[in-house]
Amino acid sequence: ETGVTQTPRHLVMGMTNKKSLKCEQHLGHNAMYWYKQSAKKPLELMFVYNFKEQTENNSVPSRFSPECPNSSHLFLHLHTLQPEDSALYLCASSLLDGDTEAFFGQGTRLTVV
Amino acid sequence: KNEVEQSPQNLTAQEGEFITINCSYSVGISALHWLQQHPGGGIVSLFMLSSGKKKHGRLIATINIQEKHSSLHITASHPRDSAVYICAVRVVSGGSNYKLTFGKGTLLTVNP
Repeated sequence: ETGVTQTPRHLVMGMTNKKSLKCEQHLGHNAMYWYKQSAKKPLELMFVYNFKEQTENNSVPSRFSPECPNSSHLFLHLHTLQPEDSALYLCASSLLDGDTEAFFGQGTRLTVV
Repeated sequence: KNEVEQSPQNLTAQEGEFITINCSYSVGISALHWLQQHPGGGIVSLFMLSSGKKKHGRLIATINIQEKHSSLHITASHPRDSAVYICAVRVVSGGSNYKLTFGKGTLLTVNP
């Protein structure tokens, strides 16, 4: 248990659905991240939030929409996804977006049908 | 070419063997992480280091900044060590922001 909790753990959605992934941490961290892990590829950074402000959007398509209402919660809203978006989506947090250790959630395994 | 290269991609060992996983990178970094990912998907941070060597139980991580190379060693390997081991480097992405760049991972299988 790393202190970062992601829900749901598994999600199957159609291409016309709208769903949201949730991440929360109560570690007192101020930076939160969304990563995508596709089969046979390295982890890819999607978004970074520092103190609730988005500081990085790594050229992610607009069908992925992040939301960070406070430093403890991070959402990833999904709509009109494509089958190639099927992947493991990992949330992480760290004290600051700097040289500090990141703590990862268990991930949400997303399948788009 | 990925900025972070790991070798080997796959490694099978017998219980008790000494294991080494290597990571080379091509950019200037402020820190390097070794992560462990079990089949369920969750990732655990093993080490974060910027110089020298760190040890935690049977795990040892070393880094050579000049050669841009790090190694993760596992002594007296055990089947429960079976996992994907991922190297990640922290680079400056702009201003005071940092970004983690990941290797593809090394799949380790330790047989009893």
